[in-house]
Amino acid sequence: DQQVKQNSPSLSVQEGRISILNCDYTNSMFDYFLWYKKYPAEGPTFLISISSIKDKNEDGRFTVFLNKSAKHLSLHIVPSQPGDSAVYFCAAKIGRDSNYQLIWGAGTKLIIKP
Amino acid sequence: NAGVTQTPKFRILKIGQSMTLQCTQDMNHNYMYWYRQDPGMGLKLIYYSVGAGITDKGEVPNGYNVSRSTTEDFPLRLELAAPSQTSVYFCASSARDRSNQPQHFGDGTRLSIL
Repeated sequence: DQQVKQNSPSLSVQEGRISILNCDYTNSMFDYFLWYKKYPAEGPTFLISISSIKDKNEDGRFTVFLNKSAKHLSLHIVPSQPGDSAVYFCAAKIGRDSNYQLIWGAGTKLIIKP
Repeated sequence: NAGVTQTPKFRILKIGQSMTLQCTQDMNHNYMYWYRQDPGMGLKLIYYSVGAGITDKGEVPNGYNVSRSTTEDFPLRLELAAPSQTSVYFCASSARDRSNQPQHFGDGTRLSIL
């Protein structure tokens, strides 16, 4: 059973427009959520995160929204740029201190069209 | 600024062979991790370590072994390679200070078992 789901395998967005990537989760014990970005032949790189006690976190062009009642989070990229074309992973943290784990979604491939 | 370095980048093994995937980090991170990523899936945690001499199983440890003799190195050993172990393997590290520190990833090892 997938505890973290990214239901859109791919998303195509025009350059300059908003990209919205979605992530759903089932476990209410997750206390922290992270988004990672991955280019081909490279490892994932950390993008932005949000604590479960907040509903929004912003960092430049990237904003993550968390709706705990719906167990849903989304990543907004405004404006979208060609360099944003990558696979985006949502990950959720469970556990405390040294005994935590990250549960990962399957990823969404974002394609920014010129 | 090397970060997390994984070797080799690619490898083809025959069924029953053994090999060690190398991982080293130069950020003085206490926490290190091994993940595997199968096509269309999220990352799955194989083993992790919270410091030299300490290792623990993740979600999918069967068929693998690890050791952590130094802070820098965290090798992953496959003793009897099986086709089900065909995957992309990522090593990651994070600082110890707080559990919400993001993980830093290597560029992965693509392993095929034939």
